[in-house]
Amino acid sequence: DIQMTQSPFTLSASVGDRVTITCRASQSINNWLAWYQQKPGKVPNLLIYQASILHTGVPSRFSGSGSGTEFTLTISSLQPEDSATYYCQQYNSYPETFGQGTKVEIK
Amino acid sequence: EVQLVESGGGLVQPGRSLRLSCAASGFTFDGSAMHWVRQPPGKGLEWVSGLTWNSVGVGYAASVRGRFTISRDNAKNSLYLQMDSLRPDDTALYYCARGGRYPGSGNQYYFDFWGQGTLVTVSS
Repeated sequence: DIQMTQSPFTLSASVGDRVTITCRASQSINNWLAWYQQKPGKVPNLLIYQASILHTGVPSRFSGSGSGTEFTLTISSLQPEDSATYYCQQYNSYPETFGQGTKVEIK
Repeated sequence: EVQLVESGGGLVQPGRSLRLSCAASGFTFDGSAMHWVRQPPGKGLEWVSGLTWNSVGVGYAASVRGRFTISRDNAKNSLYLQMDSLRPDDTALYYCARGGRYPGSGNQYYFDFWGQGTLVTVSS
């Protein structure tokens, strides 16, 4: 199975800050990568697929980049409602696997 | 509006069975791959099983293979997960999710819509 490793595990930032989360795959997954946001007690929501394509309705302050084994999710200007846990997921090969999650907190 | 509504969760003893259901609406169910993803309390996400629109392609996580069976009834817009020989480490919130596909891809899916989940607790 392809292992997905996210960093950091948690981060704390202020409103308006630029925030970056990294996701590394144990082998190349081309750009078959998705990002999800999960707020406490809520359902995961798709943010980005194909590493950089924004899902419908997702604010433009979210962006994704990368290919191969290293990917990033960037929030250009952190907002209070962005407090959540973020997961990456590879779908290059079966079984689909998720990263362990990165918790984003607002200072 | 896409809606996925899971049901069938509950408290069950180890070794027993449970059947989860997912009722879908708001999209072309018989044209969509469907999946189950679970999340143990306080932990991360784990893909459990997936099924192509025509039930030809089926996949299971190694942790459930041989114990869980995924199926669908396109006439009823419903997805199912039969869970046998349940273990305490199967305790989780089970989500039904639609498989999103990038044009031109094979059976490679992200999850573009999720239900609210149904909680399965395996304990004596």
